[in-house]
Amino acid sequence: GDSVTQMEGPVTLSEEAFLTINCTYTATGYPSLFWYVQYPGEGLQLLLKATKADDKGSNKGFEATYRKETTSFHLEKGSVQVSDSAVYFCALSVRDTGRRALTFGSGTRLQVQP
Amino acid sequence: DGGITQSPKYLFRKEGQNVTLSCEQNLNHDAMYWYRQDPGQGLRLIYYSQIVNDFQKGDIAEGYSVSREKKESFPLTVTSAQKNPTAFYLCASSNLLRTGGAFGNTIYFGEGSWLTVV
Repeated sequence: GDSVTQMEGPVTLSEEAFLTINCTYTATGYPSLFWYVQYPGEGLQLLLKATKADDKGSNKGFEATYRKETTSFHLEKGSVQVSDSAVYFCALSVRDTGRRALTFGSGTRLQVQP
Repeated sequence: DGGITQSPKYLFRKEGQNVTLSCEQNLNHDAMYWYRQDPGQGLRLIYYSQIVNDFQKGDIAEGYSVSREKKESFPLTVTSAQKNPTAFYLCASSNLLRTGGAFGNTIYFGEGSWLTVV
């Protein structure tokens, strides 16, 4: 079946540090890939997405490139801020399957210290 | 404003009780979903619905039930058969492309409901 694997957290960084959160996937078909962010006590917000190989999703300084050859969709940001502290989820959805819903990774907590 | 409204935000359930979590969306989305999130874990799919009066089980449907009588509403009932219901419940919705279902379409989430067994 479909699955998403993320690096375990928490990831603790100082403000202005470079961020990478790794995400790899297995999929039964051709997936779309997503990053969602969850702030404490809230629902999830879409951060960025990519729907085909070599696409780069970007938003709010975050980027991720769809790498089909390595089945990866790593999240990066050049300079993190305290306000980026949250849990980040990698997810996928696959076309042409009976199940039309997102499959999520376990989430990676990011803590940014001033 | 358009969005997804979940209620209540916090709910306490006694042993043996059924409780219902409300989810309403005014985004005119075809598909709706219920996910469960346990502390420090990812989201697991409980049920989903792509059209009114139709729904499918997700990965952890046992002990839960849903209905989809209206396009904008998708309530979730946590029954007494669910042995470990304490969790954070998230409702979501999306449009469906004519082909490929939710492929590529953004899924929007509500603010979530905390359910605790007392």
